[in-house]
Amino acid sequence: GQQVMQIPQYQHVQEGEDFTTYCNSSTTLSNIQWYKQRPGGHPVFLIQLVKSGEVKKQKRLTFQFGEAKKNSSLHITATQTTDVGTYFCAGGASGYNKLIFGAGTRLAVHP
Amino acid sequence: NAGVTQTPKFQVLKTGQSMTLQCAQDMNHEYMSWYRQDPGMGLRLIHYSVGAGITDQGEVPNGYNVSRSTTEDFPLRLLSAAPSQTSVYFCASSSRSDTTTNEKLFFGSGTQLSVL
Repeated sequence: GQQVMQIPQYQHVQEGEDFTTYCNSSTTLSNIQWYKQRPGGHPVFLIQLVKSGEVKKQKRLTFQFGEAKKNSSLHITATQTTDVGTYFCAGGASGYNKLIFGAGTRLAVHP
Repeated sequence: NAGVTQTPKFQVLKTGQSMTLQCAQDMNHEYMSWYRQDPGMGLRLIHYSVGAGITDQGEVPNGYNVSRSTTEDFPLRLLSAAPSQTSVYFCASSSRSDTTTNEKLFFGSGTQLSVL
């Protein structure tokens, strides 16, 4: 079945450093979504990528979708303490309604 | 709009007990789903529904039942609770896509379940 792997599991950075999390699917995806979960909270949608090679930016966050539509990345430039949380990617396959989540990357930012 | 409402927020069960986790959404979303979250394993899909009267299994359906009699509600039933079902459970909903892509999920605040 469809599997989505995400690395690293945990990342600890100093405030101001950059951060990247990577997501890889065992199958070709129709789209990939990214979510953020603050400690003690629920996942909140950040963005969706649909096109091969697509790059989207949200302020300091840059999201990429691979050319083969099997991998994706989230890069945060100059992290802030407000970036703390767990970032999940979720992949969807064409013809299927379900979204399969990666294990998430927990980001800790130290001032 | 309340969005996605889950009850209860916390629950402690003994092994073998049954219970139902409630989920309701007021956004007229056709798609609803249940995930469980365990440390290091992310969010794993239990069951999902693309509309009233239609349900399907996700990645980890064993030990759980669902039904979808209305668009608004999607309860999750644990028939005989086991310690392995100790987890945080999230309900999520979205509008229906044309299945070539997925719509964004709106999550409830979660239910923390402990099975002793």
